[in-house]
Amino acid sequence: EVQLVQSGAEVKKSGESLKISCKGSGYGFGNYWIGWVRQMPGKGLEWMGIVNPGNSEIKYSPSFQGQATISADKSISTAYLQWSSLKASDTAMYYCARVIGYFQHTSVGFDFWGQGTLVTVSS
Amino acid sequence: QAVLTQPSSLSASPGASASLTCTLRSGINVATYTIYWYQQKPGSPPQYLLRYKSDSDKQQGSGVPSRFSGSKDASANAGILLISGLQSADEADYYCLIWHNSAVIFGGGTKLTVL
Repeated sequence: EVQLVQSGAEVKKSGESLKISCKGSGYGFGNYWIGWVRQMPGKGLEWMGIVNPGNSEIKYSPSFQGQATISADKSISTAYLQWSSLKASDTAMYYCARVIGYFQHTSVGFDFWGQGTLVTVSS
Repeated sequence: QAVLTQPSSLSASPGASASLTCTLRSGINVATYTIYWYQQKPGSPPQYLLRYKSDSDKQQGSGVPSRFSGSKDASANAGILLISGLQSADEADYYCLIWHNSAVIFGGGTKLTVL
């Protein structure tokens, strides 16, 4: 059974750093890209970026480039999303999701999703 | 103009059918894209429903009832999620997604009310 299990909720202060995780199981973790998606309170889904755990290639959304860092460690089947200096506006639910499809065929999307990590940043 | 546009809300009655649209911006041809659909209920992550490119290139998500189906309206340049035999449990937010210009694009979501 494919599962993506995310780390627990975090409460931080502005300016602090944070790294949240997403551990995959039930499939070849290195064979599928993993994406990160933000959902601010009461809002829609926003794509942040995707990482290839097999070779650590990363594609960022232009909206999130420089705002957070995506990485992965294939040896422990885990992807990460980290911030060096959080802002109150980073308060949101963050989801990881497995990428399926083929980039060259414009058929890319997500199938399995993690349960989400709620990040709350106080000013 | 957004790449993907979804109506913000839709209401339908139990037992009826609901057609949720995802309109692609002018200049982006729906025929060349695979459209993904997700259902999200309050407090839960999105759930993958299906992907649709054509009748010969489509996939239902694991365990997703056949009441959920995808199609396209070429004249409207839109993808469609059709939900038949509506149930109260179908009340949720629905999002569409495409891969465009090396980026994941989400529609703004449609809140479906079943009443």
